[in-house]
Amino acid sequence: DVKVTQSSRYLVKRTGEKVFLECVQDMDHENMFWYRQDPGLGLRLIYFSYDVKMKEKGDIPEGYSVSREKKERFSLILESASTNQTSMYLCASLGRRAQYFGPGTRLTVL
Amino acid sequence: QQQVKQSPQSLIVQKGGISIINCAYENTAFDYFPWYQQFPGKGPALLIAIRPDVSEKKEGRFTISFNKSAKQFSLHIMDSQPGDSATYFCAASMVDSSYKLIFGSGTRLLVRP
Repeated sequence: DVKVTQSSRYLVKRTGEKVFLECVQDMDHENMFWYRQDPGLGLRLIYFSYDVKMKEKGDIPEGYSVSREKKERFSLILESASTNQTSMYLCASLGRRAQYFGPGTRLTVL
Repeated sequence: QQQVKQSPQSLIVQKGGISIINCAYENTAFDYFPWYQQFPGKGPALLIAIRPDVSEKKEGRFTISFNKSAKQFSLHIMDSQPGDSATYFCAASMVDSSYKLIFGSGTRLLVRP
């Protein structure tokens, strides 16, 4: 079974803080993705990576950056957290054609 | 062109009934159509997927019906159970877009006992 883990289930941060969300997959997948999920807006793609050190912007990259230094690990960075970044963040890893999701991190920015 | 339209937004079904969720797409380059199931507070889990060269795929109580000419596909949950109560997302992807998934807006299913 594919396993995708995320570093925290719940996180509370203050406005202006730098926030790191980490995602690890154990299947040697090349493609990894970060989404945010908000009520009424569905899942929106923030960034994705198709190889180590390679990244591409998704639909809503503003205010975010990513890092992929090792194949199994894909990090999402909020450079200066803002209240409108309060959301559920989901990481996914691509195996063959299917994306496998982690449990999500619910981030609250106060 | 990149959208996947999903309906209904919410659905209430009695235990033992059939739940049907529909999705439509425009881009004929899509070549992979998965369905995801998401319980509150959890990440989406892959339920079943289909490619456009088949018209139906069945796994247990879950069936995808695919109509290539109409550019529509649907999820049927037979003998729906209260444990099936969740949000369901259809999605589509294609090779040329780095396998990015385009998601439908989701359907919240409630199965009454």
